[in-house]
Amino acid sequence: DIQMTQSPSTLSASVGDRVTLTCRASQSISSWLAWYQQKPGKAPKLLIYKASSLESGVPSRFSGSGSGTEFTLTISSLQPDDFATYYCQQYDTYPWTFGQGTKVEIK
Amino acid sequence: QLQLQESGPGLVKPSETLSLACTVSGGSINSSRYYWGWIRQPPGKGLEWIGSIFYRGSTYYNPSLKSRITISADTSKNQFSLKVSSVTAADTAIYYCARIDSRVMDVWGKGATITVSS
Repeated sequence: DIQMTQSPSTLSASVGDRVTLTCRASQSISSWLAWYQQKPGKAPKLLIYKASSLESGVPSRFSGSGSGTEFTLTISSLQPDDFATYYCQQYDTYPWTFGQGTKVEIK
Repeated sequence: QLQLQESGPGLVKPSETLSLACTVSGGSINSSRYYWGWIRQPPGKGLEWIGSIFYRGSTYYNPSLKSRITISADTSKNQFSLKVSSVTAADTAIYYCARIDSRVMDVWGKGATITVSS
């Protein structure tokens, strides 16, 4: 199975900060990577697919980049609604696998 | 607007079979564009992809669960289902169903909490 490793596990930041989350794959997955946001008690929400494509309706402050084994999710100006846990997921090879998540919390 | 709704027993005894259904509204599972899938999340932990199905019946399962899971579709009810046999406490989780578009899970249900306990 392809292992997905996210860093950091927890990120403390303030409203207005630019934040970058990292996801690494144990082998190349080309650009077959998605990012999801999950708030407590809610289902995950798709933010980014194919590493850098913004899902319809997702604010433009979210952006994704990377290919191969290293990927980033950037929030250009953190908003109160953005405090949540973020998961990356590869869909290059079955079984599809998720990272362990990065929790973005209020500083 | 597409909506997915999981339904299940809530509590299952160890060694029994867990059965969940996902009812799709606002769209049809009888589509050549989409797959439909199941994902679970143990309490306080991350996400695990369980498996996916195409309405014509082709399936993909996570090898870690493959011997115990069956995913099926009922186009007459616009539903797809998950069965997990021989459950243990490790199967306690929130179970989500989702639509899969170009291999991406783009619409999710709200989730069903399943507890395995005697």
